[in-house]
Amino acid sequence: GQQVMQIPQYQHVQEGEDFTTYCNSSTTLSNIQWYKQRPGGHPVFLIQLVKSGEVKKQKRLTFQFGEAKKNSSLHITATQTTDVGTYFCGTGKQNFVFGPGTRLSVLP
Amino acid sequence: DAGVTQSPTHLIKTRGQQVTLRCSPKSGHDTVSWYQQALGQGPQFIFQYYEEEERQRGNFPDRFSGHQFPNYSSELNVNALLLGDSALYLCASSLLPGELFFGEGSRLTVL
Repeated sequence: GQQVMQIPQYQHVQEGEDFTTYCNSSTTLSNIQWYKQRPGGHPVFLIQLVKSGEVKKQKRLTFQFGEAKKNSSLHITATQTTDVGTYFCGTGKQNFVFGPGTRLSVLP
Repeated sequence: DAGVTQSPTHLIKTRGQQVTLRCSPKSGHDTVSWYQQALGQGPQFIFQYYEEEERQRGNFPDRFSGHQFPNYSSELNVNALLLGDSALYLCASSLLPGELFFGEGSRLTVL
């Protein structure tokens, strides 16, 4: 089945700094979804990307899908303490597979 | 509009016992997926139910079984519990293809 990897595993930033997490696959992906899971919470859907080279923005968050549809990134500009959590990418339809996640901590 | 609801929220079992977890999907959703999330890891796909049938299954042993009812609610059953089954069990509902709506999860501890 399809697998996705994420880097980095952990990221510690000072509040106001930028943050980027990367999602990579060895195979072409039909779609990429991003989720955020706060500590002690459940994953919450952020966005879905399906088109090659697609870029979507949500306030301070920018999502990209690579031209070859094998990688994706999530960039947060000027992090805030509310951004703390683990960010997962995932792919698939009937068998939706998650990456291992990037855990973000933001120091005030 | 109620979201995805799961019960129980927490439970403790001993090795060898059996457990049943329950999930009610978001209103209007007909597809239910179950995930196991060990501490510090990403959710692992167990299986997906649609129209009361198991449509897809992840790499989990037959000790893990499920059911979907005509009202789209679902159960996850785990037999012969092992210590390694301790995890957060997440239910997600969806209208495929599309975003997954997760419940708060059922945290299972096996002693």
